[in-house]
Amino acid sequence: GQQLNQSPQSMFIQEGEDVSMNCTSSSIFNTWLWYKQDPGEGPVLLIALYKAGELTSNGRLTAQFGITRKDSFLNISASIPSDVGIYFCAGLSGANSKLTFGKGITLSVRP
Amino acid sequence: NAGVTQTPKFRVLKTGQSMTLLCAQDMNHEYMYWYRQDPGMGLRLIHYSVGEGTTAKGEVPDGYNVSRLKKQNFLLGLESAAPSQTSVYFCASSYSPQGRNYEQYFGPGTRLTVT
Repeated sequence: GQQLNQSPQSMFIQEGEDVSMNCTSSSIFNTWLWYKQDPGEGPVLLIALYKAGELTSNGRLTAQFGITRKDSFLNISASIPSDVGIYFCAGLSGANSKLTFGKGITLSVRP
Repeated sequence: NAGVTQTPKFRVLKTGQSMTLLCAQDMNHEYMYWYRQDPGMGLRLIHYSVGEGTTAKGEVPDGYNVSRLKKQNFLLGLESAAPSQTSVYFCASSYSPQGRNYEQYFGPGTRLTVT
């Protein structure tokens, strides 16, 4: 089946640093979504991307829909302690209503 | 709006017991989903529903049943719980797959332990 690859599993950065994470697949997706999950909570939608090449920002977060439609990138600028959490990418292909999720990247921010 | 709510928040079951997890959404969403989250596995789709009275299997449906009798509610049942069903269960909903309404909104989760 379709798979989304997120690596590494964990990232450790210093407060104030920028961080980039990507999500790749061997399959084409028509929609890319980025979610953040705080400890003990459900995932919260950060950014949704619908067109190849689309670049969308949400505060300090910027995400891009890759031109090949097989990848997406999330950038967090000037990280702060509350950015700690698990970041998931998710993709949708065709008319199927089911999202495919990556396994997530756990982000730690050192003060 | 409360968004997506789930009850209970925590539950401990013995092997062989049954239980039902309730998901409710007040956003008038058409689509609803049940996922399980296990360490290192990400989110895996158990069952989903594209509208009231309809259900469909996801990636890991075995051992679970669902019902969508009302548009706002989606129930997940475990008829005979097994330790392998120890997990965190998330419900999600979305408006519809048409147009730009693919975003799924998640509930806070139910932490289930089967001993």
